[in-house]
Amino acid sequence: SAVISQKPSRDICQRGTSLTIQCQVDSQVTMMFWYRQQPGQSLTLIATANQGSEATYESGFVIDKFPISRPNLTFSTLTVSNMSPEDSSIYLCSTSTGQGWNTEAFFGQGTRLTVV
Amino acid sequence: AQTVTQSQPEMSVQEAETVTLSCTYDTSESDYYLFWYKQPPSRQMILVIRQEAYKQQNATENRFSVNFQKAAKSFSLKISDSQLGDAAMYFCAYRSVGSYGKLTFGQGTILTVHP
Repeated sequence: SAVISQKPSRDICQRGTSLTIQCQVDSQVTMMFWYRQQPGQSLTLIATANQGSEATYESGFVIDKFPISRPNLTFSTLTVSNMSPEDSSIYLCSTSTGQGWNTEAFFGQGTRLTVV
Repeated sequence: AQTVTQSQPEMSVQEAETVTLSCTYDTSESDYYLFWYKQPPSRQMILVIRQEAYKQQNATENRFSVNFQKAAKSFSLKISDSQLGDAAMYFCAYRSVGSYGKLTFGQGTILTVHP
């Protein structure tokens, strides 16, 4: 299993500024995932972060807007840059452990971001 | 690409009664994994139950069971003896074999449990 500590849990930010969200895992993991959950909506994958390489972004998400760092096997950050009210969402990090059928995903508690 | 659809934005149930949440998906893959996650107001995602497409037997976890219809690409969740603590947003999710934990989620169903 894996326990993920995500912070901040919530923040209110001014438009045009940036916020960096941190996720710390209590064990070494290969992949980390960042999701966005817009108000009342589903989780949408932003990018996959593998240690030692650049993150892989999903369609509709770009590195300039959502730069990700993955400096080691237990830590990752997501920055939401030049924020606008449309960026108001919950952002969650996730990882997985195990292989094949036994692969299980674990999630941080999310960061509720409000842009004013 | 795979898609997951939950057609019930909201559902409600009386305490101790049974409720079924619907989920359909679209994929061209023959083997994959399906999940139901619960997200209470705390925002913590909690795994409720999972099913491997290769296995025909429906998964069961205590009061939670699924009806997996592979040909129809349907994966519904049945909650028996509903409890107040079951109130949450429920997400159906799909994972490809070998995707290292990357999930595709449905839109979610808000479940309200009435005492």
